[in-house]
Amino acid sequence: DVKVTQSSRYLVKRTGEKVFLECVQDMDHENMFWYRQDPGLGLRLIYFSYDVKMKEKGDIPEGYSVSREKKERFSLILESASTNQTSMYLCASSFSTTIRTGTGYAFFGQGTRLTVV
Amino acid sequence: KNQVEQSPQSLIILEGKNCTLQCNYTVSPFSNLRWYKQDTGRGPVSLTIMTFSENTKSNGRYTATLDADTKQSSLHITASQLSDSASYICVVSGGGTYKYIFGTGTRLKVLA
Repeated sequence: DVKVTQSSRYLVKRTGEKVFLECVQDMDHENMFWYRQDPGLGLRLIYFSYDVKMKEKGDIPEGYSVSREKKERFSLILESASTNQTSMYLCASSFSTTIRTGTGYAFFGQGTRLTVV
Repeated sequence: KNQVEQSPQSLIILEGKNCTLQCNYTVSPFSNLRWYKQDTGRGPVSLTIMTFSENTKSNGRYTATLDADTKQSSLHITASQLSDSASYICVVSGGGTYKYIFGTGTRLKVLA
């Protein structure tokens, strides 16, 4: 079974703190994604990585950065957490052939519920 | 603009009943459409995926249909169970792009 694991299920941080959300996948997937999910808005793409050290901005990258030093690990960084970054964060991964051929699944982690106070 | 719209926003049904969830999209070019089930506080889990040439696909009690001409998809749940209570998310991807366009989901509640 494909496994995408996020380091924390729940996280509470203070405004201004630097926050690291970690995601690890065990299926040698090339692509990894970070989304945030808010009620009524669905999932919105923050950043995408298609290879080690490669990244592309998604739809809402402001206030976030990412790091992909190893193929299996994709980190989301909130440089200075703010209350409007309180959300559910979801990591996903897929094979690159998924993108080229448009088939296959993106597998999701269990999510991290981040609250910034 | 690429969009995915789902209806209804929420639905309550009695255990054992059938229901149908709708997904309309304007994503172009179209590559494939996925339905995900998301339990509260969990990540989405794939139910089905359909490409342009497929118009029906089943996964147990879940049957998805796709009409690529009208750009509509439906997810039919047969003989609902309490464990079907979840959000169901329709996701469309366009060919050659990494972007998945997500609907906002239908929240289904199955009552005993």
